[in-house]
Amino acid sequence: EVQLVESGGGLVQPGGSLRLSCAASGFIFSRYAMAWVRQASGKGLEWVSGISGSGGNTYYADSVKGRFTISRDNSKNTLYLQMNSLRAEDTAIYYCVGDYGDLEAFDIWGHGTVVTVS
Amino acid sequence: DVVMTQSPLSLPVTLGQPASISCRSSQSLVHSDGSTWLNWFQQRPGQSPRRLIYKVSNRDSGVPDRFSGSGSGTDFTLKISRVEAEDVGVYYCMQGTHWPLTFGGGTRVDIK
Repeated sequence: EVQLVESGGGLVQPGGSLRLSCAASGFIFSRYAMAWVRQASGKGLEWVSGISGSGGNTYYADSVKGRFTISRDNSKNTLYLQMNSLRAEDTAIYYCVGDYGDLEAFDIWGHGTVVTVS
Repeated sequence: DVVMTQSPLSLPVTLGQPASISCRSSQSLVHSDGSTWLNWFQQRPGQSPRRLIYKVSNRDSGVPDRFSGSGSGTDFTLKISRVEAEDVGVYYCMQGTHWPLTFGGGTRVDIK
């Protein structure tokens, strides 16, 4: 079964840090570009960051550039998001997303992990 | 950034009746390779999003054929031929042609 399981969310004070993880199973992880998408309570979807299958290319939304770092360990089938200098507006559900292409179509979604900055 | 504008914001539908959601982009979504990366996602209450349609009109595996996508350039539509109770939720369009990737604001479908 294709699965993405996020972890690492929680309550953190403004200015603090948090590291999210996403464990992938059921597909060849290294062949998929990966991304993080967030959703504030009652709001829409916002793309946050993306990374190529090899990890050689990374992409960030302007709202998180310089504060968040995306990475992956293909030997562990795991995606990460290091979040520093957190702000109240970063409060959201963070979804891990897999894409068989080049981050055009977001094939696979996890169930999300909740980050609260307060 | 490419702005994705969905309408309507809310769509009450009678069971068994059709529904149509519009998505317009602020610039053409035709990629330099000729593909048009316009995708549709469904988010049922309390669930994570799931993709229904990719590249305008390609239905994902397991998606009922009552869902269809169409459009070109900057103007796209998601249609549900006969709404069922399980179709309740919020529908989002998303463009994957230009950086940064952007989503529409969502259309809430519920039953009258």
